[in-house]
Amino acid sequence: QKEVEQDPGPLSVPEGAIVSLNCTYSNSAFQYFMWYRQYSRKGPELLMYTYSSGNKEDGRFTAQVDKSSKYISLFIRDSQPSDSATYLCAIYHNFNKFYFGSGTKLNVKP
Amino acid sequence: DTGVSQDPRHKITKRGQNVTFRCDPISEHNRLYWYRQTLGQGPEFLTYFQNEAQLEKSRLLSDRFSAERPKGSFSTLEIQRTEQGDSAMYLCASSLGTLRGGTTNEKLFFGSGTQLSVL
Repeated sequence: QKEVEQDPGPLSVPEGAIVSLNCTYSNSAFQYFMWYRQYSRKGPELLMYTYSSGNKEDGRFTAQVDKSSKYISLFIRDSQPSDSATYLCAIYHNFNKFYFGSGTKLNVKP
Repeated sequence: DTGVSQDPRHKITKRGQNVTFRCDPISEHNRLYWYRQTLGQGPEFLTYFQNEAQLEKSRLLSDRFSAERPKGSFSTLEIQRTEQGDSAMYLCASSLGTLRGGTTNEKLFFGSGTQLSVL
């Protein structure tokens, strides 16, 4: 079983829609959760970082962690065409391990 | 620009040739990671350094791959006798890591990657 699994997508939404991106993870000991955004032919860019459970909000982005179900989510409100990218969930563990999901490709249509 | 820098951005080579990539991390970062990413997949761990010490290598890293980080600054990744299966994006990332036993919110910052095509 992989440490983190991610909905493969692709996901296509109209501009202004609310987007929900999701991952599940395997180890209940995981505590540090991240979302990266990756544009085509670029490296991943850190978008959100959360510790343990709960929500974290930054502008139009909200990261949510549900430790009881081992589920992490990223919500994007009022989505824009510039949000079109691949979104990777990631987990940091044991002081040197980063586990990445396979990414969900998002297309926001004008 | 104080981000992670990788060179070259693109490399096309023939099967059997050797290639070397360079990564310059964010200057105050003590950890440097190498990842490989293929289309439709997330980054796959290859190896990492804490300062100049190479602390871990993935089992995926065959003996054709070697990485160095002399003086704990920039790093190079060399692939000898390239194969078509080596075609991928090679990503470097750096972070400010802490010693085991402490809490941390270590954050990984990536470069733009080197896209390798082996013909």
